[in-house]
Amino acid sequence: DSGVTQTPKHLITATGQRVTLRCSPRSGDLSVYWYQQSLDQGLQFLIQYYNGEERAKGNILERFSAQQFPDLHSELNLSSLELGDSALYFCASSVDSGLSTDTQYFGPGTRLTVL
Amino acid sequence: DAKTTQPNSMESNEEEPVHLPCNHSTISGTDYIHWYRQLPSQGPEYVIHGLTSNVNNRMASLAIAEDRKSSTLILHRATLRDAAVYYCILRSGSARQLTFGSGTQLTVLP
Repeated sequence: DSGVTQTPKHLITATGQRVTLRCSPRSGDLSVYWYQQSLDQGLQFLIQYYNGEERAKGNILERFSAQQFPDLHSELNLSSLELGDSALYFCASSVDSGLSTDTQYFGPGTRLTVL
Repeated sequence: DAKTTQPNSMESNEEEPVHLPCNHSTISGTDYIHWYRQLPSQGPEYVIHGLTSNVNNRMASLAIAEDRKSSTLILHRATLRDAAVYYCILRSGSARQLTFGSGTQLTVLP
Protein backbone atom coordinates (compact mmCIF):
# COMPACT_ATOMS: atom_id res chain seq x y z
CA ASP A 1 0.00 0.00 0.00
CA SER A 2 1.58 3.24 -1.22
CA GLY A 3 -0.60 5.49 0.94
CA VAL A 4 -2.07 7.18 -2.13
CA THR A 5 -5.79 6.63 -2.59
CA GLN A 6 -7.84 7.06 -5.73
CA THR A 7 -11.57 6.93 -6.27
CA PRO A 8 -13.45 5.50 -7.98
CA LYS A 9 -11.67 2.30 -8.98
CA HIS A 10 -13.77 1.88 -12.09
CA LEU A 11 -15.85 4.34 -14.07
CA ILE A 12 -18.00 3.58 -17.09
CA THR A 13 -19.58 6.44 -18.96
CA ALA A 14 -20.70 7.52 -22.40
CA THR A 15 -19.11 9.73 -25.01
CA GLY A 16 -19.68 13.41 -24.46
CA GLN A 17 -20.00 13.06 -20.71
CA ARG A 18 -17.89 14.59 -17.94
CA VAL A 19 -16.27 12.73 -15.04
CA THR A 20 -14.18 13.61 -12.01
CA LEU A 21 -11.39 11.44 -10.66
CA ARG A 22 -10.20 11.97 -7.12
CA CYS A 23 -6.81 11.45 -5.49
CA SER A 24 -5.60 11.76 -1.92
CA PRO A 25 -1.82 11.94 -1.56
CA ARG A 26 0.33 10.33 1.11
CA SER A 27 0.38 12.17 4.37
CA GLY A 28 3.01 14.91 4.19
CA ASP A 29 3.34 14.91 0.39
CA LEU A 30 2.71 18.30 -1.20
CA SER A 31 2.86 17.30 -4.85
CA VAL A 32 0.31 15.39 -6.85
CA TYR A 33 0.92 14.10 -10.37
CA TRP A 34 -1.59 12.68 -12.83
CA TYR A 35 -0.65 10.09 -15.44
CA GLN A 36 -2.65 8.37 -18.15
CA GLN A 37 -1.92 4.80 -19.24
CA SER A 38 -3.42 3.58 -22.47
CA LEU A 39 -2.54 0.55 -24.57
CA ASP A 40 -1.20 2.57 -27.48
CA GLN A 41 0.49 5.47 -25.64
CA GLY A 42 1.84 3.79 -22.52
CA LEU A 43 2.22 5.81 -19.32
CA GLN A 44 2.11 9.53 -20.00
CA PHE A 45 2.43 12.45 -17.63
CA LEU A 46 -0.53 14.82 -17.65
CA ILE A 47 -0.06 17.46 -14.97
CA GLN A 48 1.49 18.22 -11.58
CA TYR A 49 0.25 20.32 -8.71
CA TYR A 50 2.35 21.45 -5.77
CA ASN A 51 0.63 22.81 -2.67
CA GLY A 52 -2.35 24.00 -4.67
CA GLU A 53 -0.47 25.50 -7.61
CA GLU A 54 0.06 24.03 -11.05
CA ARG A 55 3.76 23.26 -11.42
CA ALA A 56 4.23 21.25 -14.58
CA LYS A 57 2.12 20.32 -17.56
CA GLY A 58 2.53 17.39 -19.90
CA ASN A 59 0.39 16.06 -22.72
CA ILE A 60 -2.89 17.10 -21.15
CA LEU A 61 -5.78 17.79 -23.49
CA GLU A 62 -7.71 21.05 -23.21
CA ARG A 63 -10.80 19.01 -22.35
CA PHE A 64 -9.01 17.85 -19.21
CA SER A 65 -8.35 19.98 -16.15
CA ALA A 66 -7.16 19.42 -12.63
CA GLN A 67 -6.94 21.18 -9.33
CA GLN A 68 -5.47 20.63 -5.90
CA PHE A 69 -7.44 21.69 -2.85
CA PRO A 70 -6.23 23.17 0.47
CA ASP A 71 -6.33 19.73 2.08
CA LEU A 72 -3.99 18.64 -0.76
CA HIS A 73 -6.34 16.18 -2.40
CA SER A 74 -6.60 16.56 -6.15
CA GLU A 75 -9.26 16.09 -8.76
CA LEU A 76 -8.86 15.42 -12.47
CA ASN A 77 -11.82 16.53 -14.54
CA LEU A 78 -12.35 14.98 -17.96
CA SER A 79 -15.03 16.48 -20.18
CA SER A 80 -16.53 15.88 -23.63
CA LEU A 81 -15.28 12.34 -23.30
CA GLU A 82 -14.26 10.40 -26.39
CA LEU A 83 -13.72 6.69 -26.89
CA GLY A 84 -9.98 7.30 -26.96
CA ASP A 85 -10.03 8.64 -23.41
CA SER A 86 -10.62 5.11 -22.13
CA ALA A 87 -7.53 4.38 -20.07
CA LEU A 88 -6.10 3.88 -16.62
CA TYR A 89 -5.53 7.14 -14.78
CA PHE A 90 -2.92 7.12 -12.05
CA CYS A 91 -2.25 9.66 -9.40
CA ALA A 92 1.14 9.85 -7.72
CA SER A 93 2.40 11.96 -4.86
CA SER A 94 5.78 13.06 -3.61
CA VAL A 95 7.39 15.43 -1.17
CA ASP A 96 8.81 17.28 -4.20
CA SER A 97 12.01 18.36 -2.60
CA GLY A 98 13.16 19.76 -5.92
CA LEU A 99 15.78 17.04 -6.17
CA SER A 100 15.86 14.51 -8.97
CA THR A 101 16.06 11.81 -6.29
CA ASP A 102 12.46 12.51 -5.26
CA THR A 103 10.39 9.31 -5.17
CA GLN A 104 6.87 9.25 -6.51
CA TYR A 105 4.27 6.99 -4.88
CA PHE A 106 1.47 5.82 -7.12
CA GLY A 107 -2.11 5.07 -6.31
CA PRO A 108 -3.97 2.00 -7.59
CA GLY A 109 -5.51 3.91 -10.48
CA THR A 110 -8.97 4.59 -11.87
CA ARG A 111 -10.01 2.59 -14.90
CA LEU A 112 -12.15 4.76 -17.18
CA THR A 113 -14.23 3.15 -19.89
CA VAL A 114 -15.97 5.41 -22.37
CA LEU A 115 -18.71 3.68 -24.38
CA ASP B 1 14.71 14.11 -21.59
CA ALA B 2 17.47 11.69 -22.49
CA LYS B 3 16.16 8.45 -23.94
CA THR B 4 16.49 4.95 -22.53
CA THR B 5 16.42 1.65 -24.40
CA GLN B 6 15.30 -1.60 -22.78
CA PRO B 7 14.51 -5.05 -24.13
CA ASN B 8 10.80 -5.59 -24.61
CA SER B 9 10.72 -8.78 -22.59
CA MET B 10 12.86 -11.14 -20.51
CA GLU B 11 12.32 -14.45 -18.78
CA SER B 12 13.83 -15.79 -15.61
CA ASN B 13 13.50 -18.88 -13.49
CA GLU B 14 12.25 -18.54 -9.96
CA GLU B 15 14.96 -18.12 -7.31
CA GLU B 16 17.60 -17.26 -9.91
CA PRO B 17 19.21 -13.82 -10.37
CA VAL B 18 17.85 -11.51 -13.05
CA HIS B 19 19.81 -8.81 -14.81
CA LEU B 20 17.65 -6.20 -16.53
CA PRO B 21 19.69 -3.95 -18.86
CA CYS B 22 19.08 -0.34 -19.82
CA ASN B 23 20.99 1.75 -22.34
CA HIS B 24 21.10 5.52 -22.00
CA SER B 25 23.91 6.70 -24.23
CA THR B 26 22.78 10.37 -24.20
CA ILE B 27 22.65 10.66 -20.41
CA SER B 28 23.85 13.97 -19.04
CA GLY B 29 26.10 14.40 -16.04
CA THR B 30 23.30 15.41 -13.72
CA ASP B 31 20.75 12.76 -14.74
CA TYR B 32 19.82 10.27 -12.07
CA ILE B 33 18.90 6.73 -13.16
CA HIS B 34 15.64 5.57 -11.63
CA TRP B 35 13.90 2.22 -11.86
CA TYR B 36 10.21 1.71 -11.27
CA ARG B 37 8.17 -1.41 -11.80
CA GLN B 38 4.51 -2.03 -12.44
CA LEU B 39 2.99 -5.23 -11.16
CA PRO B 40 -0.14 -6.50 -12.93
CA SER B 41 -3.20 -4.37 -12.23
CA GLN B 42 -1.26 -1.98 -10.00
CA GLY B 43 0.31 1.44 -10.20
CA PRO B 44 4.05 1.79 -10.73
CA GLU B 45 6.27 1.48 -7.68
CA TYR B 46 9.74 2.79 -7.00
CA VAL B 47 12.56 0.25 -7.03
CA ILE B 48 15.90 2.03 -6.83
CA HIS B 49 17.89 4.98 -8.14
CA GLY B 50 21.53 5.98 -8.55
CA LEU B 51 23.85 8.56 -10.07
CA THR B 52 27.33 7.08 -10.51
CA SER B 53 28.01 4.44 -7.89
CA ASN B 54 26.36 1.05 -7.61
CA VAL B 55 23.45 1.01 -5.19
CA ASN B 56 21.77 -1.67 -3.12
CA ASN B 57 18.47 -1.72 -1.27
CA ARG B 58 16.14 -4.38 0.04
CA MET B 59 14.48 -4.82 -3.34
CA ALA B 60 17.36 -4.82 -5.80
CA SER B 61 20.81 -3.65 -6.80
CA LEU B 62 21.68 -1.11 -9.47
CA ALA B 63 24.93 -1.46 -11.35
CA ILE B 64 25.96 1.63 -13.31
CA ALA B 65 28.60 1.48 -16.02
CA GLU B 66 31.68 3.63 -15.54
CA ASP B 67 30.76 5.84 -18.54
CA ARG B 68 27.13 5.90 -17.29
CA LYS B 69 25.83 5.03 -20.73
CA SER B 70 24.19 1.89 -19.43
CA SER B 71 22.92 0.38 -16.21
CA THR B 72 21.62 -2.94 -14.99
CA LEU B 73 18.94 -3.65 -12.44
CA ILE B 74 19.71 -6.84 -10.55
CA LEU B 75 17.12 -8.90 -8.73
CA HIS B 76 19.16 -11.33 -6.70
CA ARG B 77 16.56 -14.08 -6.39
CA ALA B 78 13.54 -13.65 -8.59
CA THR B 79 10.19 -14.67 -7.17
CA LEU B 80 6.87 -15.06 -8.93
CA ARG B 81 5.87 -11.77 -7.34
CA ASP B 82 8.63 -9.98 -9.27
CA ALA B 83 6.82 -10.54 -12.56
CA ALA B 84 6.18 -7.00 -13.75
CA VAL B 85 7.07 -4.35 -16.29
CA TYR B 86 10.34 -2.69 -15.28
CA TYR B 87 10.96 0.89 -16.34
CA CYS B 88 14.36 2.57 -16.52
CA ILE B 89 13.93 6.36 -16.28
CA LEU B 90 16.38 9.24 -16.40
CA ARG B 91 15.61 12.26 -14.27
CA SER B 92 17.33 15.61 -14.45
CA GLY B 93 17.20 18.19 -11.69
CA SER B 94 14.55 20.30 -13.39
CA ALA B 95 12.19 17.49 -14.34
CA ARG B 96 9.44 16.86 -11.84
CA GLN B 97 7.56 14.25 -13.84
CA LEU B 98 8.58 10.71 -14.71
CA THR B 99 8.95 9.96 -18.41
CA PHE B 100 8.15 6.30 -18.94
CA GLY B 101 9.33 4.31 -21.94
CA SER B 102 7.92 0.96 -22.90
CA GLY B 103 9.87 -0.94 -20.23
CA THR B 104 10.82 -4.61 -19.99
CA GLN B 105 8.15 -7.20 -19.29
CA LEU B 106 9.75 -9.70 -16.89
CA THR B 107 8.25 -13.16 -16.76
CA VAL B 108 9.31 -15.40 -13.86
CA LEU B 109 8.93 -19.11 -14.49
CA PRO B 110 8.24 -21.48 -11.58
